[in-house]
Amino acid sequence: DIQLTQSPSTLSASVGDRVIITCRASRSIGDWLAWYQQKPGKAPKLLIYRASTLESGVSSRFSGSGSGTEFTLTISSLQPDDFATYYCQQYYTYSKTFGQGTKVEFK
Amino acid sequence: QVQLQESGPGLVKPSETLSLTCTVSGGSINSDDYYWAWIRQPPGKGLEWIATISYSGTTYYNPSFLSRFTISVDTSKNQFSLRLTSVTAADTAIYYCARVPLYGGQPADFWGQGTLVTVSS
Repeated sequence: DIQLTQSPSTLSASVGDRVIITCRASRSIGDWLAWYQQKPGKAPKLLIYRASTLESGVSSRFSGSGSGTEFTLTISSLQPDDFATYYCQQYYTYSKTFGQGTKVEFK
Repeated sequence: QVQLQESGPGLVKPSETLSLTCTVSGGSINSDDYYWAWIRQPPGKGLEWIATISYSGTTYYNPSFLSRFTISVDTSKNQFSLRLTSVTAADTAIYYCARVPLYGGQPADFWGQGTLVTVSS
């Protein structure tokens, strides 16, 4: 099945930093990729879908790009509320697999 | 705004059957615009999509979850459920239910808060 590999696994950053997280798919998934933010004890929150479409109500400092097998999530200026774990998910196949997650922590 | 709420036993013994229910409020499960899904997350680990169902009972399973998992829907109660047989410690996880829009392009837009299931004797 399709595997998703996120990098890095952990990212240390400061408020105001530009943050880029990468997600690579083991084979092409078109643009059927989503990004979620998850905080401890909470359900994931959808940020981006179809690789680059911002979910309603989500801050415009989040953006997504890519297609095929290479995707990125960019946070333009990291805010205190953005320290969390981020997951990519492919929904090209029924397995709808997730990446292993990227934890964004305080530097 | 739609809300989803999972419910379940919390603690299950190995080899027993686990039943979880997701109650949908603020909207009808009886809709052509949405499917409904179960996702789980073992403690400290990543997310796993289990299965999806329509209000009419059409189901889609992650092939990794075909053998012991059954998703079902009860439109009269505005609920859908997940049944897992012969549980083991590996099934210990937070189980989430979610709504899947059919026409918006999102994989899942609203999630429940999750319910922790521990498999232990």
